[in-house]
Amino acid sequence: ETGVTQTPRHLVMGMTNKKSLKCEQHLGHNAMYWYKQSAKKPLELMFVYNFKEQTENNSVPSRFSPECPNSSHLFLHLHTLQPEDSALYLCASSQEGTQGRDTQYFGPGTRLTVL
Amino acid sequence: AQKITQTQPGMFVQEKEAVTLDCTYDTSDPSYGLFWYKQPSSGEMIFLIYQGSYDQQNATEGRYSLNFQKARKSANLVISASQLGDSAMYFCAMREGDTGRRALTFGSGTRLQVQP
Repeated sequence: ETGVTQTPRHLVMGMTNKKSLKCEQHLGHNAMYWYKQSAKKPLELMFVYNFKEQTENNSVPSRFSPECPNSSHLFLHLHTLQPEDSALYLCASSQEGTQGRDTQYFGPGTRLTVL
Repeated sequence: AQKITQTQPGMFVQEKEAVTLDCTYDTSDPSYGLFWYKQPSSGEMIFLIYQGSYDQQNATEGRYSLNFQKARKSANLVISASQLGDSAMYFCAMREGDTGRRALTFGSGTRLQVQP
């Protein structure tokens, strides 16, 4: 596997369910991100992890709970979601701390539907 | 105020023609980076090109070039010799500063349709 992978690619869940999204990066990067892309809205940053430490929480509701056990894996735990949480959830990684572009590379996303 | 503005919700271009996608940005930070991503219908965000605020020359990557006009705060993407596979959403994004917040701020995107 190369690049950034995300599983599952599609997820349908009820409002009372608990599920987790998984992201894995094979690029040797030290920073990982969760973004949310809703219909007709720009991508919104949710969380940033740098060297496994959360460095940013962009006022995300507590029903979204991130976990970064190591620099290659990132999870987003979901519980008691609302229909308005239906969106494409994108994971990205980058190599921070180097001068220059620090380009973020994205996974294919998980398309989440909350019923 | 929006930090990244893409004023073209949709664009059409004939195959093999060139097309320019507009992007303006707003920042008071002297150090920043500008990125363009392509998002096909499959959903994945594909990195295309990068321009740093201190770069002296416009960035180029194959058929992609970035028309960087610092004084106007614009970073337009030029795609030469359009191909049918170029049909997708295109997003302009910015990262501000050398330290601290590293995340990208995205524009609302432009949907490009390449016609045969």
